[in-house]
Amino acid sequence: AQTVTQSQPEMSVQEAETVTLSCTYDTSENNYYLFWYKQPPSRQMILVIRQEAYKQQNATENRFSVNFQKAAKSFSLKISDSQLGDTAMYFCAFMSYPFSGYALNFGKGTSLLVTP
Amino acid sequence: DAGITQSPRHKVTETGTPVTLRCHQTENHRYMYWYRQDPGHGLRLIHYSYGVKDTDKGEVSDGYSVSRSKTEDFLLTLESATSSQTSVYFCAISDPTGTGRNNEQFFGPGTRLTVL
Repeated sequence: AQTVTQSQPEMSVQEAETVTLSCTYDTSENNYYLFWYKQPPSRQMILVIRQEAYKQQNATENRFSVNFQKAAKSFSLKISDSQLGDTAMYFCAFMSYPFSGYALNFGKGTSLLVTP
Repeated sequence: DAGITQSPRHKVTETGTPVTLRCHQTENHRYMYWYRQDPGHGLRLIHYSYGVKDTDKGEVSDGYSVSRSKTEDFLLTLESATSSQTSVYFCAISDPTGTGRNNEQFFGPGTRLTVL
């Protein structure tokens, strides 16, 4: 079974600053993807960024980037130039393929507060 | 936005009563999922479907059943609701390939269920 651990239940950052959210995972699978999802107070789940495990290059999406360390099984999310709209719960998720139904295995989440 | 709706959006029921939640999609995606979200647990997989009448269990399937008679609808049934099933329920859809590409899961708005 895969486990996903987010060790920071809550974090706070000032607007325009940079913050890094941590995620580690445990798996014996070779084929997998990693994701970060954002859940604002509206409760909608929004995909932030995705990383294919076979790619060494770290994924980036505008102000969001990841630091993927495959050997260490670490997948952290960096948010640059934080904005008030980034306030949300952030979930790290793991998906192996082609088995297990391409289902997501989530961490418990990190609540991020961006302050003015 | 992906065309996913969930009904009802809110429900209050009593212990021992049957409850059915509906997920409806207009994207013709093969895979559909039911997750529950509880404080301190993130999202956990209940059941998923990989085609009409093809379903499988997830991590927390006890006390739940599912059915998928049409591509667009995935029903989650609590045969006899218990207070431990008070939660927010999310439906998700995806259409991944064998290599896991196109694996983004799109989530519905969620259903808040309270069992008294």
